[in-house]
Amino acid sequence: GENVEQHPSTLSVQEGDSAVIKCTYSDSASNYFPWYKQELGKRPQLIIDIRSNVGEKKDQRIAVTLNKTAKHFSLHITETQPEDSAVYFCASTSSNTGKLIFGQGTTLQVKP
Amino acid sequence: DAGVIQSPRHEVTEMGQEVTLRCKPISGHDYLFWYRQTMMRGLELLIYFNNNVPIDDSGMPEDRFSAKMPNASFSTLKIQPSEPRDSAVYFCASSQGRFYEQYFGPGTRLTVT
Repeated sequence: GENVEQHPSTLSVQEGDSAVIKCTYSDSASNYFPWYKQELGKRPQLIIDIRSNVGEKKDQRIAVTLNKTAKHFSLHITETQPEDSAVYFCASTSSNTGKLIFGQGTTLQVKP
Repeated sequence: DAGVIQSPRHEVTEMGQEVTLRCKPISGHDYLFWYRQTMMRGLELLIYFNNNVPIDDSGMPEDRFSAKMPNASFSTLKIQPSEPRDSAVYFCASSQGRFYEQYFGPGTRLTVT
């Protein structure tokens, strides 16, 4: 069935460093790849998304890359700040099923 | 718009009781999703609707769970009878289109004792 693997499960960086989170997906029909940020006790909120016809997308300190051949995509956060500390989820949506399948999440800690 | 609205925010109930969770999606959104979040299983899609019609309920754990969407502005998720393993945060989300941002509600934290 459809599956999204996310790594690492936890990530600790110093303020100002970069953070990279990687995901792989199994459904080759997947065509939409959003990233959500969830702060403790809050709801998930979209921070960036990418579609299958694009290889890279950037929004200020956040960028996402997609490699459809290898079926993996990554989130890059540069110049990390303490407020970036949260759980980050990758997800993919199959054009066949329309279901959004989430990865297991990465807990990012940015140390001041 | 007030965003996706869920009620109640917290629910504590005893095993065997019926639980009903409620959701009001963002006006104009044609997709509505119900998710369950636990530490062990992460974020799981339970069911989603398009234009009030259930499209995929393959994530609904068992017959004790049911969901309805009688109109474009209201949906319910019912658990009957509830069990301790149903304890989780249940999120409702809506979107304008299938491959667009899903806006999550604040969630309902359910505890079944």
